[in-house]
Amino acid sequence: AQSVAQPEDQVNVAEGNPLTVKCTYSVSGNPYLFWYVQYPNRGLQFLLKYITGDNLVKGSYGFEAEFNKSQTSFHLKKPSALVSDSALYFCAVRDQDNDMRFGAGTRLTVKP
Amino acid sequence: DSGVTQTPKHLITATGQRVTLRCSPRSGDLSVYWYQQSLDQGLQFLIQYYNGEERAKGNILERFSAQQFPDLHSELNLSSLELGDSALYFCASSVISRGANVLTFGAGSRLTVL
Repeated sequence: AQSVAQPEDQVNVAEGNPLTVKCTYSVSGNPYLFWYVQYPNRGLQFLLKYITGDNLVKGSYGFEAEFNKSQTSFHLKKPSALVSDSALYFCAVRDQDNDMRFGAGTRLTVKP
Repeated sequence: DSGVTQTPKHLITATGQRVTLRCSPRSGDLSVYWYQQSLDQGLQFLIQYYNGEERAKGNILERFSAQQFPDLHSELNLSSLELGDSALYFCASSVISRGANVLTFGAGSRLTVL
């Protein structure tokens, strides 16, 4: 079965600095990979996804993610963090036929 | 507003009781998913339906059951509630049940078991 790991419970960055939220996955066959964000007292919101093609995927709010097949990783990145980016970020994976599985989440805190 | 409606938003009940959570998917979406989010276990997949049929089952307890009705709304029934069932329960929907489809989440139903 597919699975996803987010090795960091918490990531802290200063506003204006680049941020990276890490994600590794395990799936049989070709993966579909997703990033979602959850703000306090809200449901998860879709940020971006990788299906195939270009390894660098651009998404909402200036976020991007890099797919690395050899390292089975799909790290979320942003060149310059904003305080408003502070939230809980979830990586998710799905193969062709199965349900979507989410990581445990990484809490991003951006300090002014 | 994501288009996925969950009711109730908040629910407080006692151990041993039974509750029903309701979800109306986004218009046009045929697939409904239920997830449980608790502090210590992250986002756990419970069950998925597609056009009224069960499509996949995750870590759903035997005390829990769900169904999707002909009008595509779904209900998650939680019975013999325990303190550990206190969590945020999310419903999500998508057009189809597989592949690269994006899930649209509701705002969640927060269940507190006292």
